[in-house]
Amino acid sequence: GENVEQHPSTLSVQEGDSAVIKCTYSDSASNYFPWYKQELGKRPQLIIDIRSNVGEKKDQRIAVTLNKTAKHFSLHITETQPEDSAVYFCAARPSGGGADGLTFGKGTHLIIQP
Amino acid sequence: KAGVTQTPRYLIKTRGQQVTLSCSPISGHRSVSWYQQTPGQGLQFLFEYFSETQRNKGNFPGRFSGRQFSNSRSEMNVSTLELGDSALYLCASSLVVQSTDTQYFGPGTRLTVL
Repeated sequence: GENVEQHPSTLSVQEGDSAVIKCTYSDSASNYFPWYKQELGKRPQLIIDIRSNVGEKKDQRIAVTLNKTAKHFSLHITETQPEDSAVYFCAARPSGGGADGLTFGKGTHLIIQP
Repeated sequence: KAGVTQTPRYLIKTRGQQVTLSCSPISGHRSVSWYQQTPGQGLQFLFEYFSETQRNKGNFPGRFSGRQFSNSRSEMNVSTLELGDSALYLCASSLVVQSTDTQYFGPGTRLTVL
């Protein structure tokens, strides 16, 4: 089955700086890569996703890049703000009619220092 | 549209008991997936239902089961509870069951097994 590795496990950045979280996956059949943000005690919320026919996607301060050859994808947050503090999860899902559920990375605790 | 809802939000059970959790998907969504979230293992896929049929199952013992009703609402059941079953159980709904469909999470049910 799919295996997703996520780094770093904790990331502390100064407010206003950029944050980058990286994930690698193992199954070359994966074609869907979402990112979720989970605040303490709340549900995971989708912040951005990318499908394998696209190499990069941007939504305001958030961008995701995908390198299918290297099997890795990254989340970029620019101009970080205190409300960006949360745990971020990457995930991957293989194609084939949805044969498996989402496989998640272990999460990155992002801390925005004022 | 109302989001994904789950009931109950909190449950306390003792070892050996069984429990049933409920999930109502976003109106119009026909696929429901279940995930277990623990500090040690992170988010793990349990199973996925579409049109009242289990489409996929993760690597969990047979004590974990589920079903889906004709109105797309889903329930999951855990029998003979063990201490290690203490977790946040999340359901997610999507329009259909394609691998690239966005999944939207509910608030979860916090299960504590004593």
